[in-house]
Parts: sequence; structure tokens; C-alpha cells
Amino acid sequence: SQELEQSPQSLIVQEGKNLTINCTSSKTLYGLYWYKQKYGEGLIFLMMLQKGGEEKSHEKITAKLDEKKQQSSLHITASQPSHAGIYLCGADIGGTSYGKLTFGQGTILTVHP
Amino acid sequence: DAGVIQSPRHEVTEMGQEVTLRCKPISGHDYLFWYRQTMMRGLELLIYFNNNVPIDDSGMPEDRFSAKMPNASFSTLKIQPSEPRDSAVYFCASSFLGVTGELFFGEGSRLTVL
Repeated sequence: SQELEQSPQSLIVQEGKNLTINCTSSKTLYGLYWYKQKYGEGLIFLMMLQKGGEEKSHEKITAKLDEKKQQSSLHITASQPSHAGIYLCGADIGGTSYGKLTFGQGTILTVHP
Repeated sequence: DAGVIQSPRHEVTEMGQEVTLRCKPISGHDYLFWYRQTMMRGLELLIYFNNNVPIDDSGMPEDRFSAKMPNASFSTLKIQPSEPRDSAVYFCASSFLGVTGELFFGEGSRLTVL
């Protein structure tokens, strides 16, 4: 079983629609990271959450950390084709603070114009 | 600043051949990680180094895989002999001990073993 479960595995939306991706951990989260990946490219850091209840936003992307549920959600408002890609959550499960991350399987997002 | 640099970007080889992947981490970073990404298993940590010393290689699939970090600016991941099931994208990432623990990834090396 995966230590980090992402849902859904894939998502197809129409441009302009809102969407949410979830990431649930089976272990205590010391830090939760969201990355975006375009096919054939590396991972681009989006944001990091550390404290329970923390919420961060960047442009139209908002991420929240629910520490009690050991879960994080990534919400995209008014999606655009540029949002398409693979979204991965990564977690610092060991409390290392130097980047040893366990990753979820990823969510493939397709945005139709 | 230059990011994490990996080479080659693409490698196609035949089963049984030796494959060497290379990585130059971001200057000043003291942690280096090798990850492997496949459709079936997602992104898996293979091995990581701290100050050029291997700390945890429990993710290395088998003895055919080896990794070295002879100095702070260079690391290699070697597969000998390669097998078709090794086909994947191999990522190198670096970081430094700090508040955020953010990983900086290279563009990856896509390996195809025929």
C-alpha cells in the first residue's frame, strides 16, 4: 500500500472549472509538498505546508493541510490549459527537513479549452 | 543560478549493456537524491547522499544498481547489466538542511532498455 494516496488518479475538466486534488498520508506529516510535472520534464515546486490548518495560495492554486486528518488538498480555481500536467504530493514523513520525501502516485490533470 | 543538471536526457540501450547516468547538484546543497519514476510505481527514492556519503540505499532495486558521489558537485547512477524493466525516468534532486526541506529536481534522464 502507498504511504501517500492521491485522488483522483486522473481528472479531465473544461477550462474555467474548479477542481480539487487530495493527498492522504498513512503516517504523521512533518511537511507536505506539492509539485507539478509536465510530461518529459522535471518536477516544479508549487508550495509547502507544515502546520496544521495552514493554507497557501499562488495565483489560482490553493493548498491546505489538515493535520488531524493527515490530508492535504490542492484546489485550482478557474482552470486553464496551462494548469494541465501531473500533480504530485510529497511528504516529509520522517521529520528530516532536508528533503527526503515520499511521493504519491500523482494526479494527471487535463484541461480542455 | 543553474539548477540540478542531469545527463544524458535520453538513453536507449540494449539489454545487458552498462548505463551511467550523471548528476550535478546545485552548488551549496549537501543532500543529493536519486529517484526513479515509472507508471506502475510512481516516484521512488533509490538512494541519497549527505556530504557525498551514501546514507540510505534501501531503495536500490538490486546489486545491478550502484551510485557514487566522488565530490560535492557530481554523482553517478550506474546500472550493470541493464534490463528492460529498468526502463524509467531517473531523477536527481538536491537540497540543503533547512526550514523548508524543498527538493530541487533535475529534468530527468529517460532510459529505455530494449
